[in-house]
Order: sequence, then structure tokens, then C-alpha cells
Amino acid sequence: QITLQESGPTLVKPTQTLTLTCTFSGFSLSASGVAVGWIRQPPGKALECLALIYWNGDKHYSPSLKSRLTITKDTSTNQVVLTMTNVDPLDTATYYCARGPIFDFWGQGTLVTVPS
Amino acid sequence: EIVMTQSPATLSVSPGERATLSCRASQSVSSNLAWYQQKPGQAPRLLIYGAFIRATGIPARFRGSGSGTEFTLTISGLQSEDFAVYYCQQYNNWSFTFGQGTKLEIK
Repeated sequence: QITLQESGPTLVKPTQTLTLTCTFSGFSLSASGVAVGWIRQPPGKALECLALIYWNGDKHYSPSLKSRLTITKDTSTNQVVLTMTNVDPLDTATYYCARGPIFDFWGQGTLVTVPS
Repeated sequence: EIVMTQSPATLSVSPGERATLSCRASQSVSSNLAWYQQKPGQAPRLLIYGAFIRATGIPARFRGSGSGTEFTLTISGLQSEDFAVYYCQQYNNWSFTFGQGTKLEIK
């Protein structure tokens, strides 16, 4: 059974750094072709891919957010961590992690609020 | 960045009828196109990948078609649980962009 679970703060102040952790089970991020990605969804809006990390360490970032994002993996603990620096109220969203590159399994999502 | 455009934004269809949702890519994505269903308060669910391959457990009434820049999701014999928001997504080129969604509502 494949599961993913996001964890992190629900409230982050502007200019602070947001750190989100995706803890997964039922698959290995060491297996060829496997990736884990972070996707966000502002309230009432569409989905946006933020970052993706592959089994071999390759990383991809949203071009518009690249300077603020870092994605890392720890295969020993089955975790993928996303950090976003200098958050802004526009970063208020539900943040999901999902198994990739085709996002076939998703976490339930975690709502992060950045107050104005 | 590849832009994905979905139409219509909202589609009103009666239960039992057929719904046709469209997705257009700003440049060719080959067959690297997925469709997701999202219900309120839930994570998206993968329906279709490879433009036409149904994901595990997805009923046959969901059918994907197209390639290149034009794609269609057809849902036949609409059931009450099918009314939701549908997103297309290309995974041919990073940044794996999503469309803005089509809301399928009960007529």
C-alpha cells in the first residue's frame, strides 16, 4: 500500500522560510524512474508543480520559484523535504506531495497560511 | 513553459449523459498527458495517463484521447460521483504544467 503524508507548519509569517516534509511508504525513491514531487493549490485555484526529485538525485524547480525552493531526499527515512524561502501571502495554499513523474499517488495535502 | 488550456471552464451535464472536456497544449507534448479528478477537500486523483491509459481502478466510462496538442476526456453515462473538477497535466517537459481546470456540474 502506497501512502504519502505531508507535514509542516500551518502558519508562516511573511519573509520566513517554510519547510515541508513528505513521508512516504510502499515504494522506494531508490528505484529507477521513481520521483517525488511537490504541488500546491491556492484556495479556489489551479494546481502548480513546484519541484520534483528523481531517484538518481536529479532535481527540477518551477522556473518562477526556482530561486526560493530547495528539494532534498533521504532514502533511509523515506522522506522528501521542500524548503521555500522568503514566503509571501501569495504562497498561501494547500501543499501536496505525490509520487512521480506521473502523479499516481498523492498525500492528503497540508494548508499553509501566510498572513498579510 | 508549456501552457495548458482547458475548455470549457464549467460544463453542465445531466446524470446519465456524456461529458466532453478539452485540453490544449501550447506546444506538442506527444502523449505525455494526464487527467486528474478533484473533489472538494480532497487531493487530485489520477484518471488517465499516456493520453488514453486508464489508471488502476478507473472505470471504463472514462476515456482519454488525443496526442500532440489536442486532448479530450470523455465521460460516458455520468454518475453522481463524477461531478467534480478535472485537470489535465503535461509531463513531457518540466515544469509539468496543469491546466486551469474544468468544473463538471450537475445540470
